[in-house]
Formats: sequence, structure tokens, C-alpha cells
Amino acid sequence: SQTIHQWPATLVQPVGSPLSLECTVEGTSNPNLYWYRQAAGRGLQLLFYSVGIGQISSEVPQNLSASRPQDRQFILSSKKLLLSDSGFYLCAWSRLGRGTSYEQYFGPGTRLTVT
Amino acid sequence: GQNIDQPTEMTATEGAIVQINCTYQTSGFNGLFWYQQHAGEAPTFLSYNVLDGLEEKGRFSSFLSRSKGYSYLLLKELQMKDSASYLCAVGPRDYKLSFGAGTTVTVRA
Repeated sequence: SQTIHQWPATLVQPVGSPLSLECTVEGTSNPNLYWYRQAAGRGLQLLFYSVGIGQISSEVPQNLSASRPQDRQFILSSKKLLLSDSGFYLCAWSRLGRGTSYEQYFGPGTRLTVT
Repeated sequence: GQNIDQPTEMTATEGAIVQINCTYQTSGFNGLFWYQQHAGEAPTFLSYNVLDGLEEKGRFSSFLSRSKGYSYLLLKELQMKDSASYLCAVGPRDYKLSFGAGTTVTVRA
């Protein structure tokens, strides 16, 4: 079966500090990978998605970046955090290919508080 | 672009039935998804509809009408553990899902 891991689970960082969140998927190959942010009481905002190693599409201009150094690893980074970067960060994966329903499966999330 | 609307909040009594509606306007469509999200947790996949009609999974059912841009999630025999946010999502367009803001369902004893 497939599992998706995220770490850390919670993080408190000062404004201006760097950020690195990691996501890994087990039990599948060539997944689509996604990073979302959910502000308190709000919906899911898609930040980045990737259909393969080194292939990253950005949805929202911001001070965040993403990388996919390995097939099942997805990293979200920032060089300098802003207060508005606080939120619940979720990584998700879906199957890639024709004839699939593309439902996305989410990791447990990282709750980031920028102080 | 994508526009997905669902009610913000609903309240129901334990054992009752609740129907959460979702309307959408999208430039492309290849399926409608429902997710459940408990407070402080990640969303979990509930159902997927790509053809018109009703899909039943135990106490939960999901309906789709593509011509009307309309779906609903039906929760039967409500239990306290069903108190959560329910997210409607449309996709995939370029492998992406577009999520509604979610409907918070509160189940009261």
C-alpha cells in the first residue's frame, strides 16, 4: 500500500528565516506530487505540482520554491519567511497515467507558525 | 478558471441525514471529488464521480449532474465522528484539482 510522509509535523520559525519541508511517498512510482497551503479556516491553495523529477509548476507567485530531486521526494523551501507564510502545509500525491481517476492522497501536514 | 461553491456551515442531529451541495463552473471537467477533513488533520478521500448519477459507499453517497454543474454528498445515519469539513473538488485539469472552501458539518447529540 502507498503511504506519504511529511516532516516536521509542527514548526515555529522567525520572520526572515529559511524553510525546508520534506515530503516522501512510498509504495508507488512516478506519482504526481503537490504542495498545498491552508490558512486557518480557509480552503486549500495549490502552491506547486510536479509530474516528474525536476519538473515543477508554480501556481502562485510568492517567496516559496519547490524541488523534486528524486521520484518520490518533494521539497518546499523558502529563503526568507514572511508572517503571511503561516499555515498548514499539505503534500499530496496522485497516480499518473491514462485511465486513472487522479484522486489525491494527502500527507499528515506541517503546521507552520511564523513569528 | 474554476469556480466552486458550497455552503459554509451545516448543523444536523445524530442519526439524521445531511446533504451538502456543490455547484461548479469549470473550463474543463474530468471528475468531481469529495474529501473529509477533521479539524487539525489532513483531508481524506471520500468519493469520485465522473459520470452522472449516484455513487454509494456505505453511509455516504455522492451524486453528479454534469449538465447542471452540480453535485451533492449525502451523509446518512449521522454520527458524532462525522463532524468535520467536507471539501468538494473538481478536476483534473492539467493534473490539478480545484477545491471549494469546504462545508463545516456539526453533528449534535
